[in-house]
Formats: sequence, structure tokens, C-alpha cells
Amino acid sequence: DVKVTQSSRYLVKRTGEKVFLECVQDMDHENMFWYRQDPGLGLRLIYFSYDVKMKEKGDIPEGYSVSREKKERFSLILESASTNQTSMYLCASSFVGGRGTGELFFGEGSRLTVL
Amino acid sequence: AQKVTQAQTEISVVEKEDVTLDCVYETRDTTYYLFWYKQPPSGELVFLIRRNSFDEQNEISGRYSWNFQKSTSSFNFTITASQVVDSAVYFCALRDNYGQNFVFGPGTRLSVLP
Repeated sequence: DVKVTQSSRYLVKRTGEKVFLECVQDMDHENMFWYRQDPGLGLRLIYFSYDVKMKEKGDIPEGYSVSREKKERFSLILESASTNQTSMYLCASSFVGGRGTGELFFGEGSRLTVL
Repeated sequence: AQKVTQAQTEISVVEKEDVTLDCVYETRDTTYYLFWYKQPPSGELVFLIRRNSFDEQNEISGRYSWNFQKSTSSFNFTITASQVVDSAVYFCALRDNYGQNFVFGPGTRLSVLP
């Protein structure tokens, strides 16, 4: 069964803390994505990666960085968490181009609360 | 730039009613893909269907059906004889040919009341 696994379902952090959100996929997908989901705003792309060590900014990259050292793992980093980063974070992966059925496979999400 | 609009923020229906969720998209690409995802209360997004820009055939899968019309840039989703388990947030999404630009609509929250 295909799987995208996010390291934590729920996290509570304090303002200024460094936060790591980890995502691992077992489908040999080239593309990996980090989205943020907020009520009424849908899913907004933070960063994506199409290969190891490659990354591209999405729509809302400010305050975030990412790391992709291995094909199966894509990490989202909040260098200094702020209260406006309280949100649901969704990791997803897909094949590149027209391989497979082309859809994104999502993890279960990580709900981050910054106090 | 690509954009997806789901004008209906929330819809409530009574069980067994039919309901249509609207999706309108914008893109300058000639090759693109459209998707519908379901997000139940548990939170995980579940893939429902993919359509590519060259395939305008409507699709039916059980109680679900999809109407893709390029002329109006719409990809609407109908649930027939709705059930309480259909209660969820539904997202329409648009992807470019390379799979690196996935844009989601804001979602429609569907509540099916018993």
C-alpha cells in the first residue's frame, strides 16, 4: 500500500522555537510538496522539490525552509516559529510528468500550534 | 497563472438528495490535469478522480459523477443520493503537464444531514 508518512500528527511549540516537520514516502516519487491548509484558504504551496537537493518556492515560502537529502524524505523547517504559523501542514508526493496517474498522494497532516 | 475557483463555501443537504459541487479553473496551458479530492473529518486527503485536458468524457463511478466542459472551464462533481458518509470538504485541483504546479481551490464543505 502506498504511503506518505508525516512524523507528527500534533505539535505544540513556543514562539521562537525551531520546528522540524518530516515527511517520508515509499513510492519512489520524484516530486514532493509541502502545503499549508487554513480555513477558507484551501491548500497553499510552501515549497516543492522535484529531485534530491532541488527545491522551488511555492506561493508562501516566507518563514520556511526545506531540505531534501534523500529521494524519499522531505523536511519542512520553521527556523523561528511564530503564532501566524499555527496551521495544518500537509506533505504530498507524486511522479513527475505523466507517469502513473499523476495525482498527489498526501500524508495525514501535522497540526502545529505555536503559542 | 493557474487558478481554481470553488464558489460554494458550504453546502448542506438532507440524505438521499443529489448535490453538485462546482469547480471553475483558469490556465493558459493546452495540456493540464484536473482532480477532485475528498477530505473527511479525519483530515487525510483522498484522491477521487483525474481528468486530462484532452478527455472531455464525463465519468460515473457509483454515486459519483463528473462533468468536464472545456468550453466553460468547469469540472463539476455530482453526488447522487447523498449519504452521511459523504460529509467532507471537497477540493478541486489543477495540475500542469509536468506535475510540479498543483493548484487547489478553496474547498467546499459538504454536510449531509440524516
